[in-house]
Amino acid sequence: QVRLVESGGTVVQPGRSLRLSCAASGFTLTVSAMHWVRQAPGKGLEWVAVMSYDGRTENYVDSVKGRFLISRDTSQNMVFLHMNGLRLDDTAVYYCVRGGYGVSDAFYFWGQGTVVTVSS
Amino acid sequence: EIVMTQSPATLAVSPGERVTLSCRASQSVRNNLAWYQQRSGQGPRLLIFGASARATGIPARFSGSGSGTEFTLTISSLQSEDFAVYYCHQYDDWAPITFGQGTRLEIK
Repeated sequence: QVRLVESGGTVVQPGRSLRLSCAASGFTLTVSAMHWVRQAPGKGLEWVAVMSYDGRTENYVDSVKGRFLISRDTSQNMVFLHMNGLRLDDTAVYYCVRGGYGVSDAFYFWGQGTVVTVSS
Repeated sequence: EIVMTQSPATLAVSPGERVTLSCRASQSVRNNLAWYQQRSGQGPRLLIFGASARATGIPARFSGSGSGTEFTLTISSLQSEDFAVYYCHQYDDWAPITFGQGTRLEIK
């Protein structure tokens, strides 16, 4: 049974850093692309970042390039989102998402999300 | 960037009715289009991928069609649990991946 559990969300001041974690079970990261998608309060979905199944390819939405980094630990079957230079508009629920084998595929399974609030 | 436009933004319908939601892409995404349902307070759930293939466990009342730039999601007979927000998502161009702004189904 596929399960994704996000953690690490909290209230943080602008300019600070935060690391989100996603514990995956029921499958191995080495067969799926993994994504982070966020949803600001009362807004729609925004894709944030992807890491390919082999860990060789990453990509980010322009608004987080140079500030966020996606990584993984295959020994623990975990995915991370390292967020630096946080801004007020980074406030959102952050979802960890399992994709398909390729980076261009549907989002097959979503976690329940972790809340990040950037506030002074 | 491929812009996805959903219509309408909100739709008030009665249980048992048939409803069709629309999604338009600013350029062709072939059939690389998915639909998601998001109930209040929950994470999204995949309904349709490849424009018309139902995901595992999705009831047959949900169907998707279209290709290129025009897509539809049809719910043949609305159940109470179907009142939610629906998003389309293109994954033909992954730099960046983009979503529509969503269509909210409300009870009439």
